Amino acid sequence: DQQVKQNSPSLSVQEGRISILNCDYTNSMFDYFLWYKKYPAEGPTFLISISSIKDKNEDGRFTVFLNKSAKHLSLHIVPSQPGDSAVYFCAASGRTGTYKYIFGTGTRLKVLA
Amino acid sequence: EAGVAQSPRYKIIEKRQSVAFWCNPISGHATLYWYQQILGQGPKLLIQFQNNGVVDDSQLPKDRFSAERLKGVDSTLKIQPAKLEDSAVYLCASSPLDRSYGYTFGSGTRLTVV
Repeated sequence: DQQVKQNSPSLSVQEGRISILNCDYTNSMFDYFLWYKKYPAEGPTFLISISSIKDKNEDGRFTVFLNKSAKHLSLHIVPSQPGDSAVYFCAASGRTGTYKYIFGTGTRLKVLA
Repeated sequence: EAGVAQSPRYKIIEKRQSVAFWCNPISGHATLYWYQQILGQGPKLLIQFQNNGVVDDSQLPKDRFSAERLKGVDSTLKIQPAKLEDSAVYLCASSPLDRSYGYTFGSGTRLTVV
């Protein structure tokens, strides 16, 4: 039962353009969402988060949008840079005391110079 | 601040052997997690500790996997006996009690079972 889905395994974007990574979830109890970036041979690093009380959160070139009715979130990177090439995971957490995060399968972003 | 330390970075063992991984979380982080990431998949939670108590081990294959967090700091994850399908990257992460900070992951241990 895949509660967090990233349906695009890979994405290629030209440098300077916008990258849009998508994530869907099925559990309506999820109320906190994270995006992580992962380079080869390294652990995932936290990128940006959003709470379900918001529909947008921005941090520099990164913006996360949340559409609760569609159970969909997206990460926008503008402008994309070659150093952004990595695997991006979305993760979701529910209103339970353990606050564990469930991860999607990841999208590999390649930014072409 | 120092990050999450994991060792070893790589391990190759034969099936039916045993293996242990070690994790030292960020100082002061109450919560520690072990995740398994199989190639091409997202990280899957194996076990979550809060201080030295287990709060979620629902996806830990308890017939072969065990984990402990002595004194609420370091943690070890053990597999005995290993199977071919255990080949994966084992990620340790820690977080403060406030989940809005997300996790900080270590670099992981890549296990290959042959």
